[in-house]
Order: sequence, then C-alpha cells, then structure tokens
Amino acid sequence: EDKVVQSPLSLVVHEGDTVTLNCSYEVTNFRSLLWYKQEKKAPTFLFMLTSSGIEKKSGRLSSILDKKELFSILNITATQTGDSAVYLCAGASGTYKYIFGTGTRLKVLA
Amino acid sequence: SQTIHQWPATLVQPVGSPLSLECTVEGTSNPNLYWYRQAAGRGLQLLFYSVGIGQISSEVPQNLSASRPQDRQFILSSKKLLLSDSGFYLCAWSGGTGELFFGEGSRLTVL
Repeated sequence: EDKVVQSPLSLVVHEGDTVTLNCSYEVTNFRSLLWYKQEKKAPTFLFMLTSSGIEKKSGRLSSILDKKELFSILNITATQTGDSAVYLCAGASGTYKYIFGTGTRLKVLA
Repeated sequence: SQTIHQWPATLVQPVGSPLSLECTVEGTSNPNLYWYRQAAGRGLQLLFYSVGIGQISSEVPQNLSASRPQDRQFILSSKKLLLSDSGFYLCAWSGGTGELFFGEGSRLTVL
C-alpha cells in the first residue's frame, strides 16, 4: 500500500530559526514528490521534485529529494511568523495518484 | 493561465440529505481531476480521481460518488449524507507537468 510519512508532526520555533521538515515515501511507480503549504484554506504548491540530489529553491525555502533512501526534506531558513502553517508532502505514482502525508504543523513565534 | 473553481464554499446539511459539489477547470484540456477530503487536523484522503470523461477511479468505498460529465467538470455527490461525511473537500487538477493544483475547497458540516 502506498504511504507517505511526515515528521515531526508539529514544531514550534522562534523567528530567525532554521527548520527542516522530513517526508519519507513508499509509492508504487514513483514519479515525483510535491510540497505544499496550507494555512486556513486550500494547500498552495511549493515544489515538485523528480530527480535525486537536485535542490529546488524559492527564497528562504529549499527542498531536495533522495530517491535511493526514499525521502525528501524541506528547509526554511530565517523563519518568519508568516511561515506558520501546515506543510504537506505528497508522492505521485505512475497511476496518476497523489498520496499525501498527514503534514507538519509549524508555528513560528515572534 | 489555468484556474480551478469549486463551489459551494461552505454548506451545512442535515443527515440523510443529498450532496452535490462541483468543480471546473479553465485554461487547459484533458486534465486529471481529483477529489480529496480533509478531516479536522488530518491529512488529505484521496476519494476519487479521473483521467478522462466518464473514467472514475474510487479509492475509498463509501456513500459518495463522482462523475465527470465534461472534460473540465468534476462532481462529487451523495444520495444520503452521514455525520462522518463532514470535512473539507478539495478538488484538484494536474496536467502534463505533473504538478497538482487545488481549488478553494468546500467546507461541509453534516448535522
């Protein structure tokens, strides 16, 4: 059965800290790994990773995929209160399914 | 550019009543379409997905059904709602790039 596991479940940090969120996956015919940020409403797309070892970066956020060890990390540097959200990762399978983890709830304190 | 619309945004329904949530995608053709449900404080559970008109794959057996009457339209229905059907329902689409994009969501409360 396809499975995506995220850790930690929740995290509280102070502004300026750096955080690392983890995502491990077991997905049939794996195609890609996706990261999302969810505040009060629908998830918004952050990154899609398809190749191992190639970092994707957007501002203070970056992510990398390890297809040998079946995991990905999302890094956020110099955190701000606006980074407070639930971060979701999803594995995309060869049968067009996207399987989500339960998310990491990040709270950044001022 | 592509956009996805989903409605209604919120609804409160009594147990045993029917349900219809609708989703349309603009600016693309032949998208893959998805319905997810998110219970309070939980992850996203895939309910249905469709790779073409009339092609529906069901992931979770329950009292919900989905239909795709047109290329860019996806409908989630129920004949009789249960209390356990309460949640945040999300429609999503993906295209050739493999990225998955969500609609605004529909928050359903069954009383």
